[in-house]
Amino acid sequence: ETGVTQSPTHLIKTRGQQVTLRCSSQSGHNTVSWYQQALGQGPQFIFQYYREEENGRGNFPPRFSGLQFPNYSSELNVNALELDDSALYLCASTPRGTGELFFGEGSRLTVL
Amino acid sequence: AQRVTQPEKLLSVFKGAPVELKCNYSYSGSPELFWYVQYSRQRLQLLLRHISRESIKGFTADLNKGETSFHLKKPFAQEEDSAMYYCALIYSGAGSYQLTFGKGTKLSVIP
Repeated sequence: ETGVTQSPTHLIKTRGQQVTLRCSSQSGHNTVSWYQQALGQGPQFIFQYYREEENGRGNFPPRFSGLQFPNYSSELNVNALELDDSALYLCASTPRGTGELFFGEGSRLTVL
Repeated sequence: AQRVTQPEKLLSVFKGAPVELKCNYSYSGSPELFWYVQYSRQRLQLLLRHISRESIKGFTADLNKGETSFHLKKPFAQEEDSAMYYCALIYSGAGSYQLTFGKGTKLSVIP
């Protein structure tokens, strides 16, 4: 059974740029969520996708967007990067209808 | 809005001593609570959930609705328990499941 994998593991961008982060869900999981974890904080919910549609969103602006593909893999896109976007971005997949999340190792984004 | 509070950033205990990691929550609905753990250089993973009422790695947690708490306990700490612990509350609305996490408590078990 393959776990949740994310890429890239680390990346550096400058203010105003755009970034795409990728996630492959655990086999059999059709729901994917993205979380932002700033230094010293707990993960904060960005949004969730089920059947290729966003079905829940946290308190993040529209420049944070996502996609889910038919194979349940997912992308997180962030436009017009700001310094405060520097964080660890976690992808988590789950079987539909459960609260147990299976996390990837994260993508660490640094915005300069 | 839902909120999870973990009052201690760092908790240090000696090996063999009891451990209690505190978690308080606020939520208007019926809460479903979890403890997640992150060991050094590993990914975040589920430790236990209140609805299963099980003991994992010697840890237990009881939901106290009167005190709105979900403290994590272990009678005898082991060195391998050293990790970052996050309490989380699930919010389900419109078919989505959102976890609200606390800021985490770093547990350090001193040999």
